[in-house]
Amino acid sequence: GNSVTQMEGPVTLSEEAFLTINCTYTATGYPSLFWYVQYPGEGLQLLLKATKADDKGSNKGFEATYRKETTSFHLEKGSVQVSDSAVYFCALSYYGGATNKLIFGTGTLLAVQP
Amino acid sequence: EPEVTQTPSHQVTQMGQEVILRCVPISNHLYFYWYRQILGQKVEFLVSFYNNEISEKSEIFDDQFSVERPDGSNFTLKIRSTKLEDSAMYFCASRGTGTSNQPQHFGDGTRLSIL
Repeated sequence: GNSVTQMEGPVTLSEEAFLTINCTYTATGYPSLFWYVQYPGEGLQLLLKATKADDKGSNKGFEATYRKETTSFHLEKGSVQVSDSAVYFCALSYYGGATNKLIFGTGTLLAVQP
Repeated sequence: EPEVTQTPSHQVTQMGQEVILRCVPISNHLYFYWYRQILGQKVEFLVSFYNNEISEKSEIFDDQFSVERPDGSNFTLKIRSTKLEDSAMYFCASRGTGTSNQPQHFGDGTRLSIL
């Protein structure tokens, strides 16, 4: 079946460090891929998305590239800030039907220290 | 920016009691979803709803669960007889139409605690 695997956390970094959170997926066909972020006490917010192979999603300094050959969608940021501390979820979905349910990874807690 | 709102933020209920979780999706959205997250586990799909009917449900969504859009603005999840294992964070989401890749927008969730 379809699934998403993320690196386990917590990931602890110092401010201005480089961030990578790995995400790989298993799916039939051509899913769309997403990163959602959950700040403390809040709901899930869409961070970025990519809908086809080689697309790069980007937002707020974060980037992820849809790599079909490695079935990956790793999240990167060149210089993290304390305000980036949150849980990050990788997810996939198929568009085009009435459902388009999201399948999530387990989430990765990022803690950025000043 | 329009938001999905969920009430209450925290619900404490005795085992065996009925509970209704409420959601107000974004006003021009037509696709609605419920997800849940048991503490420390993945966010899991429960059910999707479109055109006043369930379009897909997971194996978690058994006969104890039901959804309703009673008045054109609210979208509710009812658990008929709660069990301890229903304790989780429940998220509502909605999605618009237009281009085929509209993302889902989530509420802040309702934390359900079953005693």
